[in-house]
Amino acid sequence: AQKVTQAQTEISVVEKEDVTLDCVYETRDTTYYLFWYKQPPSGELVFLIRRNSFDEQNEISGRYSWNFQKSTSSFNFTITASQVVDSAVYFCALSEAGAAGNKLTFGGGTRVLVKP
Amino acid sequence: GAVVSQHPSRVICKSGTSVKIECRSLDFQATTMFWYRQFPKKSLMLMATSNEGSKATYEQGVEKDKFLINHASLTLSTLTVTSAHPEDSSFYICSARTSAIPNNEQFFGPGTRLTVL
Repeated sequence: AQKVTQAQTEISVVEKEDVTLDCVYETRDTTYYLFWYKQPPSGELVFLIRRNSFDEQNEISGRYSWNFQKSTSSFNFTITASQVVDSAVYFCALSEAGAAGNKLTFGGGTRVLVKP
Repeated sequence: GAVVSQHPSRVICKSGTSVKIECRSLDFQATTMFWYRQFPKKSLMLMATSNEGSKATYEQGVEKDKFLINHASLTLSTLTVTSAHPEDSSFYICSARTSAIPNNEQFFGPGTRLTVL
């Protein structure tokens, strides 16, 4: 069974600080996909990144960066120089390639509050 | 591309009534659609998976007679909350995927906020 754990329920930072969101996953599949989504107060999920299990390269996109480490089953997300607009709930999710219907399992989410 | 819409975005109804929520893939054919429910300050929980033309597969603990799902075409799935009660008040989100796009990616609708009085 697949499982995603986001240990941090809420993080509060001051603008321009960096913030790292932890994500630990469990799966028995060797082929799987990891995702990060942002959910602003409006409620709509915003896709941030997808990573497959065979690609351990870290990725940077603007102020966002991701650190994927299979050895520790972690897929952490860092926001550099945070801004007020980054305030949202962030979800890490996992989908196993072999799962019936390719279901997504979400972590509990981390609420990020960036104060001016 | 890969846009998913939901209608309505917000609905308020009286206890005992039924509410239908539509999920449409606007620019692609969705082989599979998913329905999620999200309670305030909680995560998304998968309710059911539906494939076009076949019966939906419900997650454990989700009442299929209460949450009726119809996936009649490759671009439309509907969720009907029958005899709604206040405890059904929640944020309902649909997503869709197509076999044409690999990597298990799902495209999410904007959600429907249901309030049952």
